[in-house]
Amino acid sequence: AQTVTQSQPEMSVQEAETVTLSCTYDTSESNYYLFWYKQPPSRQMILVIRQEAYKQQNATENRFSVNFQKAAKSFSLKISDSQLGDTAMYFCAFMTSNDYKLSFGAGTTVTVRA
Amino acid sequence: GAGVSQSPRYKVAKRGQDVALRCDPISGHVSLFWYQQALGQGPEFLTYFQNEAQLDKSGLPSDRFFAERPEGSVSTLKIQRTQQEDSAVYLCASSNRPPSFFGQGTRLTVV
Repeated sequence: AQTVTQSQPEMSVQEAETVTLSCTYDTSESNYYLFWYKQPPSRQMILVIRQEAYKQQNATENRFSVNFQKAAKSFSLKISDSQLGDTAMYFCAFMTSNDYKLSFGAGTTVTVRA
Repeated sequence: GAGVSQSPRYKVAKRGQDVALRCDPISGHVSLFWYQQALGQGPEFLTYFQNEAQLDKSGLPSDRFFAERPEGSVSTLKIQRTQQEDSAVYLCASSNRPPSFFGQGTRLTVV
């Protein structure tokens, strides 16, 4: 079974600053996907960024980037130039390449202060 | 449709009542998933369909939970004789390959 751990229940950041969310996972598989999803109060789970385990290069999507450390089984998310619209709950999720279901962490609530 | 659509968005049920939650996936998506999200927690897998076939229902918490997708498109999650512990947000997702795209969920409150 795969487990995903997000150790930070809440994070607060000033607008325009940078915040980093941590995520660790446990698996014996070598091929898998990692995701960060954002869930605002509307409850819509929105994909922020994805990483395939076989890719060594860290994924980047505009102001969002990840630090993927495969040996350490770590997958942190960095939000640069934080905006008020980034306020949401962020979930780290894991899926093996031969599976179909996502395993989620408990989430980190991010609040961006004006 | 443009996205995954779920209805109703909110449902209040009296304990013991049966409820039906609907999911309309993205058109053409083969895979459909149901997840349950308790307050302040991450979603937990309930069941998976590939077209009309339910390939995995290992996450359904009890035999009161039943899901179907008879024509390989719209899916319904039915909960019989609801209990207070069934109160949660029920999320539906669809995909053809990773990643999954989610709907806005149905918040079920059992009173």
